[in-house]
Amino acid sequence: QKEVEQNSGPLSVPEGAIASLNCTYSDRVSQSFFWYRQYSGKSPELIMSIYSNGDKEDGRFTAQLNKASQYVSLLIRDSQPSDSATYLCAVSPNAGGTSYGKLTFGQGTILTVHP
Amino acid sequence: DVKVTQSSRYLVKRTGEKVFLECVQDMDHENMFWYRQDPGLGLRLIYFSYDVKMKEKGDIPEGYSVSREKKERFSLILESASTNQTSMYLCASSARTGTDSPLHFGNGTRLTVT
Repeated sequence: QKEVEQNSGPLSVPEGAIASLNCTYSDRVSQSFFWYRQYSGKSPELIMSIYSNGDKEDGRFTAQLNKASQYVSLLIRDSQPSDSATYLCAVSPNAGGTSYGKLTFGQGTILTVHP
Repeated sequence: DVKVTQSSRYLVKRTGEKVFLECVQDMDHENMFWYRQDPGLGLRLIYFSYDVKMKEKGDIPEGYSVSREKKERFSLILESASTNQTSMYLCASSARTGTDSPLHFGNGTRLTVT
């Protein structure tokens, strides 16, 4: 059973629209959640982190966390062609109170923003 | 900015060769990681280290070993390379804080084993 699940896509949205990316996780005691963006041929880069239930906004990006539903999402407002990339959801497992930053990644969702 | 440097961008090795992948970080991070990334499988953790000379197996350690003699350097070793180890290898580091800190990745090493 996969621990972190994402729809692999591709998700295609028009320029200016809201892109919604979803992620579910199986470990109920997970504490930290991250969204990474990976352009083709490049390494992942962190764009958002969230630790508490609710919304966290940073510019055009909003991360949403619902621990009861074991669900985390990323909204990208006013999507631009430059947002076209693979978006990786990552979850920190809780092993005895600390996990040394060890993350479990989903497979990633490919987002395409077309002009 | 955190900088994680992987020594090679591309490597081509022959089956059975011993392969060393080197990674250096400049932010005094305690934690270092080696992942491999394959299409359809995502990022999978091979090994990680939370201190000098300490190492822990990740999800897919078979066929690999690691070395961490200095805090800033974490090496991945393929004892006898096989074709199924052809992949993109990503090194990452993070600080040890009260809550989990994000990973900072290197640019990756694309290894081809022929």
